[in-house]
Amino acid sequence: DAGVTQSPTHLIKTRGQQVTLRCSPKSGHDTVSWYQQALGQGPQFIFQYYEEEERQRGNFPDRFSGHQFPNYSSELNVNALLLGDSALYLCASSLWRGQGASGANVLTFGAGSRLTVL
Amino acid sequence: EDQVTQSPEALRLQEGESSSLNCSYTVSGLRGLFWYRQDPGKGPEFLFTLYSAGEEKEKERLKATLTKKESFLHITAPKPEDSATYLCAVQELYTGFQKLVFGTGTRLLVSP
Repeated sequence: DAGVTQSPTHLIKTRGQQVTLRCSPKSGHDTVSWYQQALGQGPQFIFQYYEEEERQRGNFPDRFSGHQFPNYSSELNVNALLLGDSALYLCASSLWRGQGASGANVLTFGAGSRLTVL
Repeated sequence: EDQVTQSPEALRLQEGESSSLNCSYTVSGLRGLFWYRQDPGKGPEFLFTLYSAGEEKEKERLKATLTKKESFLHITAPKPEDSATYLCAVQELYTGFQKLVFGTGTRLLVSP
């Protein structure tokens, strides 16, 4: 059973360029979230997608955008790259649960895409 | 605003030397507290979810406990393969099931 797969694993860009990162969720999952992890820090929530719509967003500028496809896979796009965008970008998948449901939701993470901006 | 603080930042143990990692949290309503393990260059790997104060969960040499303000990850007789960064995260009651607020982690090194 394949877990969460991300591509590419590593990439190098220069300031001002644009980047697209890709994610395939774990089999059976329908919701994808993206996180940014700077070196030595914990992951920070960027946004989540369900039914091809952005459902929730963290404190990230509009340069960060995403998309979810009918097969539940997702892309993260970052425009006008800054040096500070250098980080490990993590994709996490889960099953969607409505706000009124009880309990908590375990997120399954991929290995990440390491982005270096020069 | 939800906040998670982990201590210590780094911990070095000898094989077999038991210790505990701390996670203090501030959240308006707790849906769940999570512990993840992260190896270098990899994504976080799920360990435990705790839901309410007094709850405990165990897995091999690891035991997680929860109070109303903090969680502890106890490591009993650790082995070198337990070396990793341990991340604590909270899922808040009012912001849905997808957003996790993470601490900065504790880097654990277990020497043989």
